[in-house]
Amino acid sequence: AQKVTQAQTEISVVEKEDVTLDCVYETRDTTYYLFWYKQPPSGELVFLIRRNSFDEQNEISGRYSWNFQKSTSSFNFTITASQVVDSAVYFCALSEPNYGGATNKLIFGTGTLLAVQP
Amino acid sequence: ETGVTQTPRHLVMGMTNKKSLKCEQHLGHNAMYWYKQSAKKPLELMFVYNFKEQTENNSVPSRFSPECPNSSHLFLHLHTLQPEDSALYLCASSRGLNQPQHFGDGTRLSIL
Repeated sequence: AQKVTQAQTEISVVEKEDVTLDCVYETRDTTYYLFWYKQPPSGELVFLIRRNSFDEQNEISGRYSWNFQKSTSSFNFTITASQVVDSAVYFCALSEPNYGGATNKLIFGTGTLLAVQP
Repeated sequence: ETGVTQTPRHLVMGMTNKKSLKCEQHLGHNAMYWYKQSAKKPLELMFVYNFKEQTENNSVPSRFSPECPNSSHLFLHLHTLQPEDSALYLCASSRGLNQPQHFGDGTRLSIL
């Protein structure tokens, strides 16, 4: 069965520190997608990144970077030089392919609450 | 204007009330979703609609009744809810298979 584990429930850092959020997944599929979402206090989940299972290149977008390691089934997220505005709950998710239709089922982890102190 | 709009933002209702949650997407997407987010639990997928047709019902109790009149609108009709149904209900939409889902701000539901 598909499963996403975010073992870190809460992380607190001081502004300008680097922080890594861990994500470990389980799936029997060879084709799958991984996502990261950010949920600020307002409630809306904001899409950050999608990565397919055949692309293990690490990705960098500004202060954000993602490390995908198929060998360890991990898709970790690093924020460099954190800022107070980064404070939010971050969710990792796994997409279960649905070949019968044009929709996909996202399986979410329990999220990591990141608090960045000034 | 946000891509996915949910109303109301907050709702307090008694167990015998009937109410509806509304979701509208302005992104031209074909698929729409309802999720339930409870404290300290992963987001739970409730329903999926693709081109107005329901493609997934994740064993949701019948006191939750979805309706999708067109690809832009999604409703969740609530009837005889239980206290454990108190949660944040999130609507999302996506263009298609394995495409990113875009979420609304959610409706915070409290059952008295």
